[in-house]
Amino acid sequence: AQKITQTQPGMFVQEKEAVTLDCTYDTSDPSYGLFWYKQPSSGEMIFLIYQGSYDQQNATEGRYSLNFQKARKSANLVISASQLGDSAMYFCAMRALWKGGSEKLVFGKGTKLTVNP
Amino acid sequence: DAEITQSPRHKITETGRQVTLACHQTWNHNNMFWYRQDLGHGLRLIHYSYGVQDTNKGEVSDGYSVSRSNTEDLPLTLESAASSQTSVYFCASSESGLVTEAFFGQGTRLTVV
Repeated sequence: AQKITQTQPGMFVQEKEAVTLDCTYDTSDPSYGLFWYKQPSSGEMIFLIYQGSYDQQNATEGRYSLNFQKARKSANLVISASQLGDSAMYFCAMRALWKGGSEKLVFGKGTKLTVNP
Repeated sequence: DAEITQSPRHKITETGRQVTLACHQTWNHNNMFWYRQDLGHGLRLIHYSYGVQDTNKGEVSDGYSVSRSNTEDLPLTLESAASSQTSVYFCASSESGLVTEAFFGQGTRLTVV
């Protein structure tokens, strides 16, 4: 079964420091994709970064990078130089095959990040 | 700018009533999805559509229906609202083919009393 596990319910980091949010996944599909979303207290889901299973290089988007370790089935999100505005829930998700060859996104339960001044 | 909008943002309804949540996107995406978010469960897929006239059941589809009459809209209907359907509902859209980006609406908080 396809599954995303985020083992850190909550994380704390000092402003300007880097933080790593953990994500492990389980799939038998040869082709898959991994996503990270940010959900601030206002509730919207903001797309941050994507990594394809065949991508050779780790994805980066500004202060966000995805530490993709295929053998370990992990796709950790690294936020560099944390800002107060980074305080939010963060969700890891995986593109997974569904019925009839269709696709869906499978989400983890999220990690609440708090950035302290 | 292209966007995806949900309405209403908040709704309170009574048990047994029919409720429709709207989702409208201007990305011109073929794929649209409805998820519900509950504490301890993360986001779970309710229904999805890969194009006009196409609808499919997700993992928690009981009590919900969708219809896709055009590219822009995928309304979600709760046939007879139940307290177990109190949740935050998210609509999302993505391009056809392998999903590499999926954009979400702002969410609708539904309370069934």
